[in-house]
Amino acid sequence: DGGITQSPKYLFRKEGQNVTLSCEQNLNHDAMYWYRQDPGQGLRLIYYSQIVNDFQKGDIAEGYSVSREKKESFPLTVTSAQKNPTAFYLCASSIGGQGAIGGYTFGSGTRLTVV
Amino acid sequence: ILNVEQSPQSLHVQEGDSTNFTCSFPSSNFYALHWYRWETAKSPEALFVMTLNGDEKKKGRISATLNTKEGYSYLYIKGSQPEDSATYLCAWRPWDTGGFKTIFGAGTRLFVKA
Repeated sequence: DGGITQSPKYLFRKEGQNVTLSCEQNLNHDAMYWYRQDPGQGLRLIYYSQIVNDFQKGDIAEGYSVSREKKESFPLTVTSAQKNPTAFYLCASSIGGQGAIGGYTFGSGTRLTVV
Repeated sequence: ILNVEQSPQSLHVQEGDSTNFTCSFPSSNFYALHWYRWETAKSPEALFVMTLNGDEKKKGRISATLNTKEGYSYLYIKGSQPEDSATYLCAWRPWDTGGFKTIFGAGTRLFVKA
C-alpha cells in the first residue's frame, strides 16, 4: 500500500543539538510539506517542495532546514537555532502543488521533545 | 497569515446524537476548502474537498456544506458513533497562492460516548 512513513515516532533532543526527522513517500507525489502542530493551534507550514532539488520556506522556517534530493524523500532538520522545537511534526504530500485540487496525504507524525 | 477559525474547540455527545461544527475562513480569495478527520495516533485523512459556493458533499453519515460568499463551511455528523471520535480539521486554500498554500484551523475535537 502506498503511503507516507515518518520516523522516528518519538524523538528526544538535548539543547544545542541538531536532529533530523525522516519523511518518505511511495505515492509518486510531486509535492511534499512539513507542518508543525502546537497545542490549540492549527498546523503551520515550515517548508514545502514542489519538485526534486527545489524547496520553499513556509511561514515558520526559521531554525529549520530541508533537502529534496529524491522525489520520495523530504527530511527535516531541526537546528539548534530553533528556539522552541518541542512540538508535533507532520509530513504530507500531494499529487501536484500549484493548482492541484486534491488534498494531502499525511504521515503519522513525529513528536519532538527537547530535554 | 489570515485565520481559519473552527468552533467549537471540543464537543462531547452521546452515541446517536447528531452534531455539527463550523469552519470560518476569509470570504475573499477562495480556491478550495478541505475537511480532514484525525483520529488519535493515526494520520489525518481527507474527508472532503469543496470548491464551489453551495457545494454539498456526503460520505456515509458525514456531510458538509460550503458558503464562500460569507466564508463558512459546516460539517454534520448524523447519529454519532464512538468511532466518529476524532479531531476534525478544516483547511482553506487561498486563490492568490495558486491554491498552493493551505491554512489550517485548530480543529474541533469530538468525543462520542457509548
